[in-house]
Amino acid sequence: GQQVMQIPQYQHVQEGEDFTTYCNSSTTLSNIQWYKQRPGGHPVFLIQLVKSGEVKKQKRLTFQFGEAKKNSSLHITATQTTDVGTYFCAGRAGSNYKLTFGKGTLLTVNP
Amino acid sequence: EAGVAQSPRYKIIEKRQSVAFWCNPISGHATLYWYQQILGQGPKLLIQFQNNGVVDDSQLPKDRFSAERLKGVDSTLKIQPAKLEDSAVYLCATRSYNSPLHFGNGTRLTVT
Repeated sequence: GQQVMQIPQYQHVQEGEDFTTYCNSSTTLSNIQWYKQRPGGHPVFLIQLVKSGEVKKQKRLTFQFGEAKKNSSLHITATQTTDVGTYFCAGRAGSNYKLTFGKGTLLTVNP
Repeated sequence: EAGVAQSPRYKIIEKRQSVAFWCNPISGHATLYWYQQILGQGPKLLIQFQNNGVVDDSQLPKDRFSAERLKGVDSTLKIQPAKLEDSAVYLCATRSYNSPLHFGNGTRLTVT
């Protein structure tokens, strides 16, 4: 079945440093979504990427979808303590709206 | 809009006991999912409903897990009998056509 791998598993940064998490799928995706889960909370939708090579920005967050639609990345510029949480990518393949989540990257930020 | 409601928030049971979780979706959301999230891992899909029909239950351990969504609105997920490895957060998520997933706060299950 479809697998979605995410690295790194953990990332600890100093406030103000940049952060990047990478996501790779074993199959070509129709779209990829990113979610953020705060400690003790539930996943909250951040963004969806659909087109090959697509790049989207949300303030300090930049999301990319690979040309082959099998990989994606999330980059945070100048991290803040409010960025703390686990970032998940979730890939959708095929017509059924079934999302396969990666294991997530836990980001901690030292103030 | 009101979010996805789940109850209970926490549940502690002994192994071999049974437990049920309840989910009330956002109004108008036809698609409902149950995910299992083990500590340190991403959500794993257990079952997907479209209205009251099952779309995907390929990863549901059917010997012990069951789920229903009789009227296409509320849903319940049951485990009987529970095992230690069922300890996890059970997340309900719903969506309308072409919208992303909206998750509830989840039920944290501890099996002792």
